[in-house]
Amino acid sequence: ETGVTQTPRHLVMGMTNKKSLKCEQHLGHNAMYWYKQSAKKPLELMFVYNFKEQTENNSVPSRFSPECPNSSHLFLHLHTLQPEDSALYLCASSQDLSEQYFGPGTRLTVT
Amino acid sequence: RKEVEQDPGPFNVPEGATVAFNCTYSNSASQSFFWYRQDCRKEPKLLMSVYSSGNEDGRFTAQLNRASQYISLLIRDSKLSDSATYLCVVNPQEERKLIWGLGTSLAVNP
Repeated sequence: ETGVTQTPRHLVMGMTNKKSLKCEQHLGHNAMYWYKQSAKKPLELMFVYNFKEQTENNSVPSRFSPECPNSSHLFLHLHTLQPEDSALYLCASSQDLSEQYFGPGTRLTVT
Repeated sequence: RKEVEQDPGPFNVPEGATVAFNCTYSNSASQSFFWYRQDCRKEPKLLMSVYSSGNEDGRFTAQLNRASQYISLLIRDSKLSDSATYLCVVNPQEERKLIWGLGTSLAVNP
């Protein structure tokens, strides 16, 4: 596979569930990102990992927990989410914080 | 003033038309600029980077105006497949992250 892949593509979960989103990049990049995209809002940066180290956390609630075991893989662990967390969650990667390449996203619905 | 501002549109144009979008940014120290394209319910895809001297890729031309703090995207000979949302992205450099505009919606009609 090439580029940036994300699984699952769609996820429906209840507010008491725990789930994880997975992202993998095959581009040899050293930075990875999680974004949230809601209707009628700009892309919201959630987390940035550069060389596996978290360098950015944009005041994201603790019910979202990122994990970056190596420079090719990124996870977003979800627990006790709220309905307003329903959105498209996009993973991206880049080399040295330049142009970003996105995965197809996970469309999350919290019921 | 918003960090990155775009006219959300929608812009409705006929096939073959020329259309231009502008995007203004607030941080005068910004160094890197990009245009991304996002189709409905899909991820953003890099369309082109914007260099100080401007750049052209086929029917697409991007320009940077540092004095007035805006970047532009010109699309010539519009195709139906150009229908999408065009996102302006700015890297303020010292913040080490990209700032995204809300996007401009383009619909090219037959």
